[in-house]
Amino acid sequence: QKEVEQNSGPLSVPEGAIASLNCTYSDRVSQSFFWYRQYSGKSPELIMSIYSNGDKEDGRFTAQLNKASQYVSLLIRDSQPSDSATYLCAVNMYSGGGADGLTFGKGTHLIIQP
Amino acid sequence: ETGVTQTPRHLVMGMTNKKSLKCEQHLGHNAMYWYKQSAKKPLELMFVYNFKEQTENNSVPSRFSPECPNSSHLFLHLHTLQPEDSALYLCASSPRGGVGRNSGNTIYFGEGSWLTVV
Repeated sequence: QKEVEQNSGPLSVPEGAIASLNCTYSDRVSQSFFWYRQYSGKSPELIMSIYSNGDKEDGRFTAQLNKASQYVSLLIRDSQPSDSATYLCAVNMYSGGGADGLTFGKGTHLIIQP
Repeated sequence: ETGVTQTPRHLVMGMTNKKSLKCEQHLGHNAMYWYKQSAKKPLELMFVYNFKEQTENNSVPSRFSPECPNSSHLFLHLHTLQPEDSALYLCASSPRGGVGRNSGNTIYFGEGSWLTVV
């Protein structure tokens, strides 16, 4: 069973601090990793993608990937109340077929406290 | 506006009804997907279409029947559903055939259709 694991939270972080979200995955051959943000009652929106080991920065967001440890994380610097949402980790788990979808974790509920 | 439009946004249906969910993407993508999101469960991939051809059926019960007449439109036909089928159904699309290994391809979601089965 190919899985993506996240701590469901809630993770409570004070405004202005760094929020750290973590994700592990079971399929060692996975190559594509994504973070989606989902506000309550809304659909997921893509915020970061990462394909190579190391860090990738985009504004206040940094994605980190360690394929040896099968671990991907998302850091949010200078957290704002508007960052309060559920963050979904998604991994391409190649099934050998043509058009694969993504395997998602359950998501981490992040609360930024003013 | 995500470029992926789903209708209806909310649907209440009885267990003996037949209804359909519709999805249209305006992004020029070639692959389309149906996902199911239930409370406290991960997003579940249901169906994948690539260039109108179904390439994945993730062990979905036959009471859910997809249809993809062209690369821009995707339907999910519903009949004799159960209360546990109540969920948010999300349509998504991607530029080319799925999120293949090393492709860097990713998917974009519609706003979803909230389904309640009574």
